[in-house]
Amino acid sequence: GAVVSQHPSWVICKSGTSVKIECRSLDFQATTMFWYRQFPKQSLMLMATSNEGSKATYEQGVEKDKFLINHASLTLSTLTVTSAHPEDSSFYICSAELGNYGYTFGSGTRLTVV
Amino acid sequence: AQKVTQVQTEISVVEKEDVTLDCVYETRDTTYYLFWYKQPPSGELVFLIRRNSFDEQNEISGRYSWNFQKSTSSFNFTITASQVVDSAVYFCALKGGQGGKLIFGQGTELSVKP
Repeated sequence: GAVVSQHPSWVICKSGTSVKIECRSLDFQATTMFWYRQFPKQSLMLMATSNEGSKATYEQGVEKDKFLINHASLTLSTLTVTSAHPEDSSFYICSAELGNYGYTFGSGTRLTVV
Repeated sequence: AQKVTQVQTEISVVEKEDVTLDCVYETRDTTYYLFWYKQPPSGELVFLIRRNSFDEQNEISGRYSWNFQKSTSSFNFTITASQVVDSAVYFCALKGGQGGKLIFGQGTELSVKP
């Protein structure tokens, strides 16, 4: 149980375009979801926390106008990378908080901007 | 401030050797949770263990064991008789008490050679 489905698993886009990444909780309701970014050979850095029905909370240094997060329902959170540039190329992972402080993670999206 | 430190960036062992991955954490919370995750080349995070700050019992699960030492703020992970399939990046993570975020250490890349 407690599966988060993340799509797409990889995407290549042209510089200047926008890309949307979706995370769906399949068998539970995710009130809170987290978005992480991971550059090659580096750790997972928390970008933002999204709560269903309210605005996302962004970590310091993360541009909220560039990384648009929408959590309109208890089963879907989306991250849109707007006007993507090569430096946005990274591995993006979503996570949902479960009860008793457990977490479940999506399988990740590898974004390449060319 | 909360922090997780994994000083070992890369470890290389030969199959059947035992290996210990170190994790040191910092937090001012009295209640907190520690985690270990495995990230194989596919990128997906695999949950290994969660430990709360009030439970200092060591745990063993097959070839895996964890040593939680509150006095030294460490939560080390040992793999006994390592196998090639254990090759991956391993992350130690910490979540503080109420409302705390899950933060990750830098990760240790383990390479097990046949």
